[in-house]
Amino acid sequence: DQQVKQNSPSLSVQEGRISILNCDYTNSMFDYFLWYKKYPAEGPTFLISISSIKDKNEDGRFTVFLNKSAKHLSLHIVPSQPGDSAVYFCAARKTSGTYKYIFGTGTRLKVLA
Amino acid sequence: KAGVTQTPRYLIKTRGQQVTLSCSPISGHRSVSWYQQTPGQGLQFLFEYFSETQRNKGNFPGRFSGRQFSNSRSEMNVSTLELGDSALYLCASSLTLRNAGRNYGYTFGSGTRLTVV
Repeated sequence: DQQVKQNSPSLSVQEGRISILNCDYTNSMFDYFLWYKKYPAEGPTFLISISSIKDKNEDGRFTVFLNKSAKHLSLHIVPSQPGDSAVYFCAARKTSGTYKYIFGTGTRLKVLA
Repeated sequence: KAGVTQTPRYLIKTRGQQVTLSCSPISGHRSVSWYQQTPGQGLQFLFEYFSETQRNKGNFPGRFSGRQFSNSRSEMNVSTLELGDSALYLCASSLTLRNAGRNYGYTFGSGTRLTVV
């Protein structure tokens, strides 16, 4: 049972354009969400997070949007750069009970120069 | 500060063997989590340790086990290896169980690539 889903395994975007990565979740108890970026042969690195009390969080070129009613979050990268080419994972957690993070299957982003 | 260190980086084992992977968290971090990454499955949660106690466990068979030492270093063990256990095993550390955002440093190591032949 995949509680966190990234339905697009890959995405290609031209340099300078916007990249939009999507993530859907099924558990309405999730209240904290993160995005991680992973380069080959490296561990995932934290990118940006959002709490369920917010619907948007920005950090430089990265913005995460949360739509709780749709159980959907998205990561926007503007403008996209070739160095952004990586696999992006979204993750979700519920604050009560266990603290483990449930990760999606990842989306491979390729930014074309 | 030193990051999360996982050893070895690469490992090749034969079916039926067992393997032990090691993770040294960032100094001062007390929580260590383990994940398995396979193509198409994303990062699957294995278990989480805090203060030498397993606090959470994922849906993996009993062949997968782990432990944490008093210095917060953690090991995971897989017995009776199967071909399907071939994966990248990632360890992540954080200060406490709750903290995982940038300010609290939920940090992954580079992983151990296990190949079972």
